[in-house]
Amino acid sequence: NAGVTQTPKFQVLKTGQSMTLQCAQDMNHNSMYWYRQDPGMGLRLIYYSASEGTTDKGEVPNGYNVSRLNKREFSLRLESAAPSQTSVYFCASSEEALVYEQYFGPGTRLTVT
Amino acid sequence: QQQVKQSPQSLIVQKGGISIINCAYENTAFDYFPWYQQFPGKGPALLIAIRPDVSEKKEGRFTISFNKSAKQFSLHIMDSQPGDSATYFCAASSRNNDMRFGAGTRLTVKP
Repeated sequence: NAGVTQTPKFQVLKTGQSMTLQCAQDMNHNSMYWYRQDPGMGLRLIYYSASEGTTDKGEVPNGYNVSRLNKREFSLRLESAAPSQTSVYFCASSEEALVYEQYFGPGTRLTVT
Repeated sequence: QQQVKQSPQSLIVQKGGISIINCAYENTAFDYFPWYQQFPGKGPALLIAIRPDVSEKKEGRFTISFNKSAKQFSLHIMDSQPGDSATYFCAASSRNNDMRFGAGTRLTVKP
């Protein structure tokens, strides 16, 4: 039982490059989330998916797209990376009715130069 | 604007002391108030959570105090230990999958 897994762990991109961050969970949760963590700002929600086939914008969605591939997997795509997207990205999942009880992955540290 | 405000940014406590972290929120639609603990290089993990109709919740050395009228809540860590050294985030969640985090408090417990 791995919980929430994320790949890659680290990534360096040049401005304008694209990449996809992968996330998978094995807890049979309906809801999945993508956050970014920046110093002094806590975690901010980028997108979430309440169930397979649905996605919604969070607090800071600009510059990102997501895909809920199936119940287990939720990916985050940066189409044209910018230095402002340098951050640590966390994926999380929860049971649908327990939004406050989220299980987080280990994170992806992304640097955009 | 940050919907959940957390203080202090950093806290140093002696082993055996009490650590206190405070948070305030604005949106009365929030219906659960969790605290998360994060160690360096790891994702946050749920520590303890409280509903707004409860004024206090205790789990071991960790206690949440909640003041609904003031829209404030706090985490108390009794008998703080070096192993408690981590970053703590308060949060507020609502049923529409919205969870807002405070900026975090870096706690250092000195032996």
